Amino acid sequence: AIQMTQSPSSLSASVGDTVTITCRASQGIRNDLGWYQQKPGKAPKLLIFAASTLQSGVPLRFSGSGSGTDFTLTISSLQPEDFATYYCLQDYNYPLTFGGGTKVEIK
Amino acid sequence: QVQLVESGGGVVQPGVSRTLSCVASGFRLSESGMHWVRQAPGKGLEWLTLIHYDGSSKYYADSVKGRFTISRDNSKNTLYLQMDSLRPEDTALYYCAKGGRFYDRIDFWGQGTLVTVSS
Repeated sequence: AIQMTQSPSSLSASVGDTVTITCRASQGIRNDLGWYQQKPGKAPKLLIFAASTLQSGVPLRFSGSGSGTDFTLTISSLQPEDFATYYCLQDYNYPLTFGGGTKVEIK
Repeated sequence: QVQLVESGGGVVQPGVSRTLSCVASGFRLSESGMHWVRQAPGKGLEWLTLIHYDGSSKYYADSVKGRFTISRDNSKNTLYLQMDSLRPEDTALYYCAKGGRFYDRIDFWGQGTLVTVSS
């Protein structure tokens, strides 16, 4: 199974900051990667698919990049509603695998 | 609007079986691959299984292969997860999630149903 290593596991940031979360795949996965946001007590929500395509309705301050093994989720001008846990998911092959998650907390 | 409503969770003893259901609405289930994903209390997400839109292919995580079975009844707009030989480590919130006909990514999630395996 492809291992997805996500870092950092947590970070503290202030409203207005730019934050970057990375996922590294144990082998190349083309651009078959998605990013999800999960708030406490809620189901995850798709933010970005195919590494860099913004899901409909997701604010433009979210962006994704990368291909192969290294991927990045960037949140520009962090908003109060962005404090949550973020996960990457590779859908390149089976079994699909998630990264361990990054909790974005308020500084 | 797209809705996925899971049911069937509860407290079960180790070793027993349980079947979860997920009723879909707001989209054509027959044109969507469907997943189950779980989340143990305070832990991250774990992908479990996928069934393609027509039921022709099914895939499983190693952790549940041979114990869990995914199935679907498109005529009832319902996805199922049969879980056999349940273990305490299967305790989790189980999410039903929607994929696509021609892609495997998850683009929508239900709210989950909690399964607790305990004696």
